[in-house]
Amino acid sequence: QVQLQESGPGLVKPSQTLSLTCTVSGGSISSGGYYWSWIRQHPGKGLEWIGYIYYSGSTYYNPSLKSRVTISVDTSKNQFSLKLSSVTAADTAVYYCARGHVVVVAAILYFDYWGQGTLVTVSS
Amino acid sequence: SYVLTQPPSVSVAPGKTARITCGGNNIGSKSVHWYQQKPGQAPVLVVYDDSDRPSGIPERFSGSNSGNTATLTISRVEAGDEADYYCQVWDSSSDHPAYVVFGGGTKLTVL
Repeated sequence: QVQLQESGPGLVKPSQTLSLTCTVSGGSISSGGYYWSWIRQHPGKGLEWIGYIYYSGSTYYNPSLKSRVTISVDTSKNQFSLKLSSVTAADTAVYYCARGHVVVVAAILYFDYWGQGTLVTVSS
Repeated sequence: SYVLTQPPSVSVAPGKTARITCGGNNIGSKSVHWYQQKPGQAPVLVVYDDSDRPSGIPERFSGSNSGNTATLTISRVEAGDEADYYCQVWDSSSDHPAYVVFGGGTKLTVL
């Protein structure tokens, strides 16, 4: 059974960089067919896709966040990470990591495993 | 960018059938996935690729997709089905990299 667990600071100051790590267990992050993803949810709001990374290092980001987002992968630790720079109060949200099951030729990508989520508050 | 439109809320009596829609331009040409999210919990995949169910999801959950509307149908609704439901697609076109789109979510209330 694949499990994902987010970790990182729960409080970040405005203008600083938010950094989170997702540790994957029960499966290898180097397995093909998966896009390792970050998704967030503002309090009381819907889901917002941030971006994803393939184990090879290829990344794809939400255009609305692209200028501030970096997603990286460490296959040796079976982890992938999120960095979001120049944060403001508007970045306060629950951040989820998730496994994106992808079938490129059929244009299919869905999230079959999710972490429990971690609340990150941006405040001084 | 591609937009998915869901009704903010749907109400249904126990034992009845709930239908939650997800509208999008020619969404029938895309693969649609549905998630259930209960308060304080992470989303759970309940339908993928329009109408397939992951292991462990009851047969009461089904999906369809045609034209400009995809639908999640929950038969014989139970109190435990009360949750927020989100649709999602992977939007790819020739003018931008493929990216993920979520609908705004629908709150299902069991009366």
